[in-house]
Amino acid sequence: DQQVKQNSPSLSVQEGRISILNCDYTNSMFDYFLWYKKYPAEGPTFLISISSIKDKNEDGRFTVFLNKSAKHLSLHIVPSQPGDSAVYFCAASAASNTGKLIFGQGTTLQVKP
Amino acid sequence: DAEITQSPRHKITETGRQVTLACHQTWNHNNMFWYRQDLGHGLRLIHYSYGVHDTNKGEVSDGYSVSRSNTEDLPLTLESAASSQTSVYFCASSDSWDVSGANVLTFGAGSRLTVL
Repeated sequence: DQQVKQNSPSLSVQEGRISILNCDYTNSMFDYFLWYKKYPAEGPTFLISISSIKDKNEDGRFTVFLNKSAKHLSLHIVPSQPGDSAVYFCAASAASNTGKLIFGQGTTLQVKP
Repeated sequence: DAEITQSPRHKITETGRQVTLACHQTWNHNNMFWYRQDLGHGLRLIHYSYGVHDTNKGEVSDGYSVSRSNTEDLPLTLESAASSQTSVYFCASSDSWDVSGANVLTFGAGSRLTVL
């Protein structure tokens, strides 16, 4: 039973445009949601997170939106750059499970020059 | 600089052999984790540890074991390797929190294991 789902395996956008990556979850006990970025042959690196008591968190070009009623979150990248091309993983955790992250399947983002 | 190191980066082994993947972190983190990455599944938790002599099973722990004899190391052992264990393995550690309050994991570069 996949508790965190990223239903789009891939996304292609033009440089300068907005990239929107989506993530759905089923467990209402999740308190935190994180996005990780992964380049080939490297480990995932932390990008941005949001607490379940918030509906938006912004860090530079990256913004994460959380819709608790729909159990849905999204990562917006504006403007997209070719260096953003990577696999993006959505992850969730419950405060009681320190550090244990449940990951989605990942979405491969390609930003075309 | 503090870091988390995995070795070997690549390994090919045969079915039935015992394999150990090493993970060493110099962050002095108490929490350490092993994940495997497979296409269509994302990263799945194998085992984790919250401190010396503490180990816990994750979502996909069958066929794997870990031990934690010190803070720095969490080796992952495949007792009898199977072809289904061909995967990329990531070690992670954590003892830091983002401004949102989320516990952030720092990952190693991964170990690619092929079981023939």
